[in-house]
Amino acid sequence: KAGVTQTPRYLIKTRGQQVTLSCSPISGHRSVSWYQQTPGQGLQFLFEYFSETQRNKGNFPGRFSGRQFSNSRSEMNVSTLELGDSALYLCASSDPGQGFYGYTFGSGTRLTVV
Amino acid sequence: ILNVEQSPQSLHVQEGDSTNFTCSFPSSNFYALHWYRWETAKSPEALFVMTLNGDEKKKGRISATLNTKEGYSYLYIKGSQPEDSATYLCAPTTGNMLTFGGGTRLMVKP
Repeated sequence: KAGVTQTPRYLIKTRGQQVTLSCSPISGHRSVSWYQQTPGQGLQFLFEYFSETQRNKGNFPGRFSGRQFSNSRSEMNVSTLELGDSALYLCASSDPGQGFYGYTFGSGTRLTVV
Repeated sequence: ILNVEQSPQSLHVQEGDSTNFTCSFPSSNFYALHWYRWETAKSPEALFVMTLNGDEKKKGRISATLNTKEGYSYLYIKGSQPEDSATYLCAPTTGNMLTFGGGTRLMVKP
């Protein structure tokens, strides 16, 4: 069974640009969550999608957005990039009936804003 | 927003030592507590999900306990090995999101 796939693995963007990151969950998993990891703040929750609907959103500015497609793949978008957006972005998938038993994380996308 | 604290922040032990870490979280509105192991350059790996007060879980040399009334969980590693070197994260869940603690970074010297 394929794991959670995130693309791209690495990305360098210029301040002010926008970026789109992709996450393909484990087959059959309908919930996709996104997290940001920075050295100073640790792992922080961005948002969670289930069946194309955002169910939860973390404390991030509106520049951070996401969506989920009918095949459960999810994208997150960051507009007007700032230097502070440089981070590792992780997504995790679960079957809500089994999220009780843990989330499976992807390897992440390392975003560097210069 | 939950306040989740883990201690210690980092730990250096010798191979063969046993060790334990603490995760503290608000005891109200508790749903479940997750433990993850995160090795450098890899994805966080789920270790345990615990829900009931007094829960004890074990996976090989690693075990965890949960006290929901006082809001803490302990993770134990018996006979640490160099391959146990990683950051150990705890995360209580509320709804459909994980709130991570800062993690305990464990380094096991051969």
